[in-house]
Amino acid sequence: EPEVTQTPSHQVTQMGQEVILRCVPISNHLYFYWYRQILGQKVEFLVSFYNNEISEKSEIFDDQFSVERPDGSNFTLKIRSTKLEDSAMYFCASRVMSSYNEQFFGPGTRLTVL
Amino acid sequence: DQQVKQNSPSLSVQEGRISILNCDYTNSMFDYFLWYKKYPAEGPTFLISISSIKDKNEDGRFTVFLNKSAKHLSLHIVPSQPGDSAVYFCAAKKGTQGGSEKLVFGKGTKLTVNP
Repeated sequence: EPEVTQTPSHQVTQMGQEVILRCVPISNHLYFYWYRQILGQKVEFLVSFYNNEISEKSEIFDDQFSVERPDGSNFTLKIRSTKLEDSAMYFCASRVMSSYNEQFFGPGTRLTVL
Repeated sequence: DQQVKQNSPSLSVQEGRISILNCDYTNSMFDYFLWYKKYPAEGPTFLISISSIKDKNEDGRFTVFLNKSAKHLSLHIVPSQPGDSAVYFCAAKKGTQGGSEKLVFGKGTKLTVNP
């Protein structure tokens, strides 16, 4: 069964460094998302991406964050200058155009900022 | 932001019995609701959904009930199996067609099914 994949599974970085989290959405999906879950808290929406542009973003998704679909298969989340509070699980998700609204999630990348 | 609430952090049931997980929401603009299951070190897995035009949706052992007037939904699992032990998240969305893309999640309920 097709699935969303994410790399790396765990990323450790120093505060102030740039990180790029990578995702390969399901191949016929057209909508892409990033969510995050800080330990002990809810899963929170960051951004949605469709037709090569951001379609919606949350207040969390400030200028330090950016997303890109550099080729036909990858979808990336870049954090330009990481802060301690960026430590969280980051989940990529995708959905087809025709499905009602189910978003299919990847296994996540655990980001630890030291 | 408490738009979606799962007030029970945990639930324990015996194998073979019914599990009932509850979810309340406050935003009347939500019109699509989803349940996800999550195992440790994995991403949320979609289970079942319901649109606000329905009050029940069934898929195998899983049934979701929606009470719009009470802004309440519940997930029933019958019969419960040990493999169902996981954290269950309720999520809601505004605008089924052309609305918000954002899923708003509850904090989750950890279900333990004892053999």
